[in-house]
Amino acid sequence: AQKVTQAQTEISVVEKEDVTLDCVYETRDTTYYLFWYKQPPSGELVFLIRRNSFDEQNEISGRYSWNFQKSTSSFNFTITASQVVDSAVYFCALSEAYSGGGADGLTFGKGTHLIIQP
Amino acid sequence: ETGVTQTPRHLVMGMTNKKSLKCEQHLGHNAMYWYKQSAKKPLELMFVYSLEERVENNSVPSRFSPECPNSSHLFLHLHTLQPEDSALYLCASSRVTSGSSYNEQFFGPGTRLTVL
Repeated sequence: AQKVTQAQTEISVVEKEDVTLDCVYETRDTTYYLFWYKQPPSGELVFLIRRNSFDEQNEISGRYSWNFQKSTSSFNFTITASQVVDSAVYFCALSEAYSGGGADGLTFGKGTHLIIQP
Repeated sequence: ETGVTQTPRHLVMGMTNKKSLKCEQHLGHNAMYWYKQSAKKPLELMFVYSLEERVENNSVPSRFSPECPNSSHLFLHLHTLQPEDSALYLCASSRVTSGSSYNEQFFGPGTRLTVL
């Protein structure tokens, strides 16, 4: 069975601080996919990144960066120089490989509510 | 319209009512999903349709009945719901391809359902 744990329920920082959101996952598959989504107050989940289990290279996109470590089953998300617009609930999600194609649902963590204070 | 749209955005219904939620995707995807988001619970997958065939049910109560008439439309028919069914219902779509690659899901804004 697969599981995603986001231990931080809520984080509050002052604008311009760096903040890291933790994500720990469990899966028995050797091939799987990890995702981060952002859910602003409007409710719509916004896709941020997908990472394949066989690609451990970290990724940076502007102020966002992701640290994937298979040895610790973690896929952490860092926002540098945070802004008020970054305030949202952030979800980490996992999907095991579906060989031969096909669709599979995502297993989500409970989310981390990030509050950026001006 | 672009992306994934859902109607209505808000719905209040009594326990004896019958209503339907609608989802439409304009991304050319061939898989669609229903998720339920309750307070204090992780997002829960309810149904998956791939190439218009249902592939996963996840033990959802029969008072929820999905329908996928084509690859662009997805419905969730509701009848005799319970107050604990009050939640945000999210629709998503993705592109299914052969091989081991997995494509991300794109979500609609959700329908906020309140059952009285």
